[in-house]
Amino acid sequence: EAGVAQSPRYKIIEKRQSVAFWCNPISGHATLYWYQQILGQGPKLLIQFQNNGVVDDSQLPKDRFSAERLKGVDSTLKIQPAKLEDSAVYLCASSLSTVRGATTEAFFGQGTRLTVV
Amino acid sequence: AQSVAQPEDQVNVAEGNPLTVKCTYSVSGNPYLFWYVQYPNRGLQFLLKYITGDNLVKGSYGFEAEFNKSQTSFHLKKPSALVSDSALYFCAVSRRTLTFGKGTMLLVSP
Repeated sequence: EAGVAQSPRYKIIEKRQSVAFWCNPISGHATLYWYQQILGQGPKLLIQFQNNGVVDDSQLPKDRFSAERLKGVDSTLKIQPAKLEDSAVYLCASSLSTVRGATTEAFFGQGTRLTVV
Repeated sequence: AQSVAQPEDQVNVAEGNPLTVKCTYSVSGNPYLFWYVQYPNRGLQFLLKYITGDNLVKGSYGFEAEFNKSQTSFHLKKPSALVSDSALYFCAVSRRTLTFGKGTMLLVSP
């Protein structure tokens, strides 16, 4: 079974530039997550999709971050304009649909390491 | 709001000794609990989960975890540590969303 695919693996941009990350979840997984992991910290949920609907985006900085999940499969996370503090690893994960209202285990991609200079 | 606490930034253990990595949680309703491991420059890898049933759950690579409802804890354990177990370990709790703790670095010395 193929895992969660993410691209690119690494990205270096200047502040105020824009950047986009792509994620292809495991086939059949209805739930897709984007997490931000700053060095030395745990992953912070940015947005969670159930099919192509948003379940939670309460921690997404909506003035600069946006995400979409077209047709309930692939997803793109965009940052525009980037700030220095956006330097982090961006992790995409997917899981099967919720069980009795709770999410099952999520499977993660390798992540995209973003450096903003 | 749900949350996870991992009180130890780092755990040191000698190879062959038992290890415990601590986790406590806060969530409304019955918790779904998970442990993940992260190796350098890699994504998170699922180790084990507790959904319901037996309080002691077994997972990958010889790891197990004990769910204690009264103490709201879900500690990760292994009877005999290996040097290759050295990594960053994350506890997570799930209801509507999946929330992670800050992580505990496990260092196993030869």
